Amino acid sequence: QQQVKQSPQSLIVQKGGISIINCAYENTAFDYFPWYQQFPGKGPALLIAIRPDVSEKKEGRFTISFNKSAKQFSLHIMDSQPGDSATYFCAASGGGSTLGRLYFGRGTQLTVWP
Amino acid sequence: EAEVAQSPRYKITEKSQAVAFWCDPISGHATLYWYRQILGQGPELLVQFQDESVVDDSQLPKDRFSAERLKGVDSTLKIQPAELGDSAMYLCASSFPGGGETQYFGPGTRLLVL
Repeated sequence: QQQVKQSPQSLIVQKGGISIINCAYENTAFDYFPWYQQFPGKGPALLIAIRPDVSEKKEGRFTISFNKSAKQFSLHIMDSQPGDSATYFCAASGGGSTLGRLYFGRGTQLTVWP
Repeated sequence: EAEVAQSPRYKITEKSQAVAFWCDPISGHATLYWYRQILGQGPELLVQFQDESVVDDSQLPKDRFSAERLKGVDSTLKIQPAELGDSAMYLCASSFPGGGETQYFGPGTRLLVL
């Protein structure tokens, strides 16, 4: 059972455009929602993360929007650049017996055309 | 900047052979994770350590996989015997204890089983 569902699977955006990736979860015990960026042959690297006590978090060109009631969160990349071309994973973790364990989405392969 | 170290970076083996992967977490990180990432999918947790103790190994195929972290620092993941379906990227991550803490990933070991 996929704990975190991510869409789209792939995304093509022109340079300067906005990239939007969406994720949904079911487990209401989740209280930490990071986004990871992964380049080919590399391990994932934390991009930005949010906790459910805020609805939005912005770091530079990257923004997370969080909708607790809908159990959805999304990543917005403003002014997308060719260097942003990578695979993006949303993830979630929570307390209890699964403390710290990250549940990842299937990933979105982003291509930004110059 | 401190990083998670993994070796080897690449491993080719024949089915039924034994393989071992090594991980050295960031100094001071008591929590260590091994994830498996199949091509085109997100990482999935295999085992989680808190110091030298296993916290979660519910997804570890214990008939062929084993993991240890004897002194609570570096860790080894072993597969014996390897099967064709084990071909994947094996990622190690570490963090400070507790949920919601940033997990830092190593570069991974790419395993190909022939």
